[in-house]
Amino acid sequence: GAGVSQSPSNKVTEKGKDVELRCDPISGHTALYWYRQSLGQGLEFLIYFQGNSAPDKSGLPSDRFSAERTGGSVSTLTIQRTQQEDSAVYLCASSPFVAGTTHEQFFGPGTRLTVL
Amino acid sequence: GDSVTQMEGPVTLSEEAFLTINCTYTATGYPSLFWYVQYPGEGLQLLLKATKADDKGSNKGFEATYRKETTSFHLEKGSVQVSDSAVYFCALSSNSGYSTLTFGKGTMLLVSP
Repeated sequence: GAGVSQSPSNKVTEKGKDVELRCDPISGHTALYWYRQSLGQGLEFLIYFQGNSAPDKSGLPSDRFSAERTGGSVSTLTIQRTQQEDSAVYLCASSPFVAGTTHEQFFGPGTRLTVL
Repeated sequence: GDSVTQMEGPVTLSEEAFLTINCTYTATGYPSLFWYVQYPGEGLQLLLKATKADDKGSNKGFEATYRKETTSFHLEKGSVQVSDSAVYFCALSSNSGYSTLTFGKGTMLLVSP
């Protein structure tokens, strides 16, 4: 079946502009995660969705970052007033959710964001 | 908070050499441990996992044993191939009802023929 997909694959923007990154998780996966991969910081957790709610937003680096999920499926990560330090690869992952167990997360190919 | 420390790379080996990539962790409770691999131009893939102490995860000739006494989860392979060239990430998940991953910084492995 289809894996996690993300769009766009590459995004180049100018400092100060807003960007939207999209994630389509595997069908039926109720848990969805956003991570950021950058040279200096490695892989960092940003936000977790269970269904349409986000019980853990602790990794969002500033209030310029927000995310939503609709219909328990597609998620959008929005970065407002982008800064050069936002340049990174943004990864989305999904997994089935069963309380008290640990499931593999399936990762998308990522969106490479470059802020000029 | 939780953290993962893994050896810095790049690790450069000849084909058929023995591989060890060290990984140690700090976590409360009893985390699950993972190795993810990122091949050039591809996304992260789960390589292997272990969910409790003394468990051994294995896949594609790679192995790692969950050592609670040394808080380690070292990755090993007896004979590497050129196709194993990739970046390897050690990660943990604290079993808090969902599975947010805390990653190490990654180790690049380069295998030459």
